[in-house]
Amino acid sequence: QQQVKQSPQSLIVQKGGISIINCAYENTAFDYFPWYQQFPGKGPALLIAIRPDVSEKKEGRFTISFNKSAKQFSLHIMDSQPGDSATYFCAASEEGGGSNYKLTFGKGTLLTVNP
Amino acid sequence: KAGVTQTPRYLIKTRGQQVTLSCSPISGHRSVSWYQQTPGQGLQFLFEYFSETQRNKGNFPGRFSGRQFSNSRSEMNVSTLELGDSALYLCASSLVADLAYEQYFGPGTRLTVT
Repeated sequence: QQQVKQSPQSLIVQKGGISIINCAYENTAFDYFPWYQQFPGKGPALLIAIRPDVSEKKEGRFTISFNKSAKQFSLHIMDSQPGDSATYFCAASEEGGGSNYKLTFGKGTLLTVNP
Repeated sequence: KAGVTQTPRYLIKTRGQQVTLSCSPISGHRSVSWYQQTPGQGLQFLFEYFSETQRNKGNFPGRFSGRQFSNSRSEMNVSTLELGDSALYLCASSLVADLAYEQYFGPGTRLTVT
């Protein structure tokens, strides 16, 4: 059972454009939603995270939008740059629940930003 | 502050052999988690160690095991390797146990089983 569904699998955006990656979850006990960025040959790096008490969190060009009722959250990358080309993973965890020790990841989105 | 380090970075083993991977967490971090990353299954949780004790385990067969030392360094072992064990094995460290909050990943060990 895939608890976190991520789309699209791949995304091509022009430099300066907006990249949008979507995730949907099933487990209503999830209450911590991080996004990770992974470059080839590297491990995933924590990019930004949100908790359900807010609907949006912004850090620089990266914004998470969160819709609790729809059980969806998304990552927006404004003014996308070629250096943003990487694989992005959404994840979820139950900070207050029985599976609070692990992250459940989406399958990842390969983002390519063309110059 | 140095990040999470993993050794070796690449490993080629033959089916039936066993392998040991090593992880050194960020200084001061006492919790170490291991994940398996494959193209088909994505990132999947293997186990978590804190204070030399395995606190949590994912849905993997008993061939996958690990341990943690008093300096928080961790090793994972895979016995009787199968072709399907080929993957990137990632170690993540965090300050506290039982929380996936702010896990920092190492570069991984790429294991190829032939």
